[in-house]
Amino acid sequence: EVQLLGSGGGLVQPGGSLRLSCAASGFSISFYDMSWVRQAPGKGLEWVSAISRDGSGTTYADSVKGRFTISRDTSKNTLYLQMDSLRGEDTAVYYCAKVWRTWYFDHWGQGILVTVSS
Amino acid sequence: EIELTQSPGTLSLSPGERATLSCRASQSVADYLAWYQQKPGQAPRLLIYDASNRATGIPARFSGSGSGTDFTLTISSLEPEDFAVYYCQHRSNWPLTFGGGTKVEIK
Repeated sequence: EVQLLGSGGGLVQPGGSLRLSCAASGFSISFYDMSWVRQAPGKGLEWVSAISRDGSGTTYADSVKGRFTISRDTSKNTLYLQMDSLRGEDTAVYYCAKVWRTWYFDHWGQGILVTVSS
Repeated sequence: EIELTQSPGTLSLSPGERATLSCRASQSVADYLAWYQQKPGQAPRLLIYDASNRATGIPARFSGSGSGTDFTLTISSLEPEDFAVYYCQHRSNWPLTFGGGTKVEIK
């Protein structure tokens, strides 16, 4: 059974940093593209970042480019999102997602709450 | 960036009724469009991919149609568990974008 277990969220001050993790089980992230999608409180879904199955390609939404970095550790079967220079508008639930049929999302993590506030 | 506009914002219907949700793209996305269902406190669930194909395990009452810029998600007869928010998403180019969502609520 495919499972994605996210961790690493919490409260952080503006300008601070946080690293989100997403531990995958039931499949190997080495064989799949992966992505992060976020949802601000009471709002819709926003795609944030993606990484290719071989790890060689990454892409970002303009809203996070230069501040967020997506990466993975295949030995731990874990996806990461390093978030720097955080702003209030980054407050959201962050979902990791397994990509299917380039680029839909067929499995999602449970969501990780990130709150940026002083 | 391709904008996806969903309408209506809210759809008030009774169980057993037919729901018709719309998603319009600001430029052609061919058939590279998906629909997701999200219930409160839960992650989204993939329903339809490539405009008209049901994802694994999705009931036949859900169907999708359209191509280019105009797409429709139809729920033929609403079950109690179908009351939720529905989002469309394209994969035509970067950045991937989602529509703003349609809430299907109990009338």
